[in-house]
Amino acid sequence: EAQVTQNPRYLITVTGKKLTVTCSQNMNHEYMSWYRQDPGLGLRQIYYSMNVEVTDKGDVPEGYKVSRKEKRNFPLILESPSPNQTSLYFCASSYEGGTLGTQYFGPGTRLLVL
Amino acid sequence: SQQGEEDPQALSIQEGENATMNCSYKTSINNLQWYRQNSGRGLVHLILIRSNEREKHSGRLRVTLDTSKKSSSLLITASRAADTASYFCATVTDTGRRALTFGSGTRLQVQP
Repeated sequence: EAQVTQNPRYLITVTGKKLTVTCSQNMNHEYMSWYRQDPGLGLRQIYYSMNVEVTDKGDVPEGYKVSRKEKRNFPLILESPSPNQTSLYFCASSYEGGTLGTQYFGPGTRLLVL
Repeated sequence: SQQGEEDPQALSIQEGENATMNCSYKTSINNLQWYRQNSGRGLVHLILIRSNEREKHSGRLRVTLDTSKKSSSLLITASRAADTASYFCATVTDTGRRALTFGSGTRLQVQP
């Protein structure tokens, strides 16, 4: 089954404790990205990657890191989480065909930073 | 930055009625996409309409695009309780930037 998976689905942590949210897709997509969703703000892009070893900042990259060492994986790293990073996070992927088309979203990771 | 803005923010209708949601955006686009999100879950793609298209259909969904007004609408005909969800428009600009910019969504409640 074609899908985007994220782990963990739920996470409670404390300020300053490094964490990683994993994202994996099995559709051989070139493009992957991370969004955060906050009430009343819709989804905002954090980082994206157009292919292996190619990443770029989205609209709200501060406090986050990403890496793309393999085509299927795109982990999101919070080096020192803060309470304002409490949010619902989504990973998405798609083919990279010169412009962005249909995005396939993961189920989301709900993060609470105390 | 918020490129797309949906209207209304919330909509409540009876089963069988039509639901119309509108999206306005600010800059020139390559395409516009509509997504559905059931409460707290992942987004599901519904329809993509390109800047040179004016209307697209998919089952009970009809999307229109008016690039002169920088607006789009999503019509769900003969709504069902299962259509209850949040609906988002997302735009891809024609600048080459690889990002979807989402609006804040319309919450649709379909009463059985």
